[in-house]
Amino acid sequence: EVQLVESGGGLVQPGGSLRLSCAASGVTFSNYDMSWVRQAPGKGLEWVSGVSTSGGNAYYAASVRGRFTISRDNSKNTLSLQMNSLRAEDSAVYYCTTGGQWLRMGYWGQGTLVTVSS
Amino acid sequence: DIQMTQSPFTLAASVGDRVTITCRASQSINMWLAWYQQKPGRAPDLLIYKTSSLESGVPSRFSGSGSGTEFTLTISSLQPDDFATYYCQQYNTYPLTFGGGTKVEIK
Repeated sequence: EVQLVESGGGLVQPGGSLRLSCAASGVTFSNYDMSWVRQAPGKGLEWVSGVSTSGGNAYYAASVRGRFTISRDNSKNTLSLQMNSLRAEDSAVYYCTTGGQWLRMGYWGQGTLVTVSS
Repeated sequence: DIQMTQSPFTLAASVGDRVTITCRASQSINMWLAWYQQKPGRAPDLLIYKTSSLESGVPSRFSGSGSGTEFTLTISSLQPDDFATYYCQQYNTYPLTFGGGTKVEIK
């Protein structure tokens, strides 16, 4: 059974930092492009960032470019998202998902909630 | 960036109805279009990929069609479990983008 388990969410003050992680199991992690998708309360889905299978190519939404950094460790089957200079509008449930350019988002984690508030 | 426009925003329907949701891309995305279903408090589930391919385990009452910039998700006979929000997504080009969602409600 494929499992993607996110962790690292929580309450952080504006301007602060947070690091999200996603642990993958039941899947050959290194074969998949990976993405982070977020959903603000009561809102739709927003793709945030993606990374290629090797980790050599990273992609970002304009809203987070320069503040967020995606990375992966294929030896540990782990995807990460380093989030700096957080803003109130970054508050959302963050989902880890397999998927990228030309690869559908077939597997999703349960999500982790990030709240940016003073 | 490619903009994805879904319609309608909400849809009220009855069990057994045929339901159609439309998604329009601001430029051609070839066939790289997926549909997801999301229920409250849960992660989205993939229904359709590459415009018309049914994900494993998804009931055959769901189907997708389209090309270029115009795409459609059809539920042939709406079931109680289908009341949810549906999203289209293009994965032809980064940044990947989603439609705004269509909430299917009970009439």
